[in-house]
Amino acid sequence: AQSVTQPDIHITVSEGASLELRCNYSYGATPYLFWYVQSPGQGLQLLLKYFSGDTLVQGIKGFEAEFKRSQSSFNLRKPSVHWSDAAEYFCAVALTSGTYKYIFGTGTRLKVLA
Amino acid sequence: DSGVTQTPKHLITATGQRVTLRCSPRSGDLSVYWYQQSLDQGLQFLIQYYNGEERAKGNILERFSAQQFPDLHSELNLSSLELGDSALYFCASSVDLWNEQYFGPGTRLTVT
Repeated sequence: AQSVTQPDIHITVSEGASLELRCNYSYGATPYLFWYVQSPGQGLQLLLKYFSGDTLVQGIKGFEAEFKRSQSSFNLRKPSVHWSDAAEYFCAVALTSGTYKYIFGTGTRLKVLA
Repeated sequence: DSGVTQTPKHLITATGQRVTLRCSPRSGDLSVYWYQQSLDQGLQFLIQYYNGEERAKGNILERFSAQQFPDLHSELNLSSLELGDSALYFCASSVDLWNEQYFGPGTRLTVT
């Protein structure tokens, strides 16, 4: 069955440190891939997306993500985390072949230490 | 501001009651999605409409129903409410079936 896995439920980093949030998907073809961020009490906001082409995509707020087909992964990275990055991050995939589906991962909650 | 509006922002009601949540998508977006977010269940996809037609169904209970109207706004109807239905309900919209979704601010439903 198709699925999206975010193996880290919680991650804590110090301000200024680098960040990598993991996302793996299970699907026979390459889906469309997305990362969203949700600040407390807010709706989700798109950080970046991958449809095709260059496997390293740049997003808003200094985030980037790399698609690795061989690993079925789409990990989110940021070189230097700011306190305002504390939020919950969701990976999502859109399955475009056969039955349409849009699947969200379970989220990773990021805590930033001052 | 995503351009997606949801009303009401907060709703408090009693068990057994029925409520309607409303969503207006971004201008030009044809697809509307409904999600339920709670502490124990996380973000759960409920249902999706595209240009007035139901296109995908997720973990939506039979007590819940939705529709998308000709002007593309959507309503989510929740009936015979139970305590466990207390959650944040999000609406999102996208220009088509595959593209990124823009989320509204949510409706917080409290069932007492």
